[in-house]
Amino acid sequence: DTAVSQTPKYLVTQMGNDKSIKCEQNLGHDTMYWYKQDSKKFLKIMFSYNNKELIINETVPNRFSPKSPDKAHLNLHINSLELGDSAVYFCASSQGTFWASPYEQYFGPGTRLTVT
Amino acid sequence: GQQVMQIPQYQHVQEGEDFTTYCNSSTTLSNIQWYKQRPGGHPVFLIQLVKSGEVKKQKRLTFQFGEAKKNSSLHITATQTTDVGTYFCAGMEYGNKLVFGAGTILRVKS
Repeated sequence: DTAVSQTPKYLVTQMGNDKSIKCEQNLGHDTMYWYKQDSKKFLKIMFSYNNKELIINETVPNRFSPKSPDKAHLNLHINSLELGDSAVYFCASSQGTFWASPYEQYFGPGTRLTVT
Repeated sequence: GQQVMQIPQYQHVQEGEDFTTYCNSSTTLSNIQWYKQRPGGHPVFLIQLVKSGEVKKQKRLTFQFGEAKKNSSLHITATQTTDVGTYFCAGMEYGNKLVFGAGTILRVKS
């Protein structure tokens, strides 16, 4: 059974398009995250939701909008895609959050976004 | 804001040699976590350290948390080709989010 799943695995699109990435976790965790990993492998947190509430909203262009329809799902919608958005996007989940352990995060397989 | 620095950025070792990666925080941490990402894969949680001076072992991997809770290290004894990947530390300040280091890429020559 896949703990954290993401779709699609690969996404190739042109500049200016709008795209979405979906994430689901079946671990019963309360907190979910979106990370961006650039070509240098740096992992940068973008957003986090705890029980469907936004708790982390880093300095990210407002073209990026997360949505959590329920505790098990966290989607990421990106408007007007730019070349610099090309990266691997990871979804993750944890049982607790920064005010309540356990904090270890379980990552999905990633979505490789290429903007041409 | 909180910063977590990790060195070295890259290390290439001969199989059987030891490997160490170091992590330093600008602030005192409540805990530190370590993750491993295989090439083409996703980060996988290895361990969490919470106590000052804590040392934990997982087979050939030894993790340490500094006395001041501002630094940590991961040491691999007698590396194997299966150890290849990027090792990330991630530090958490009290009541704040997890911040990842830049990672150390380990390559092992057989």
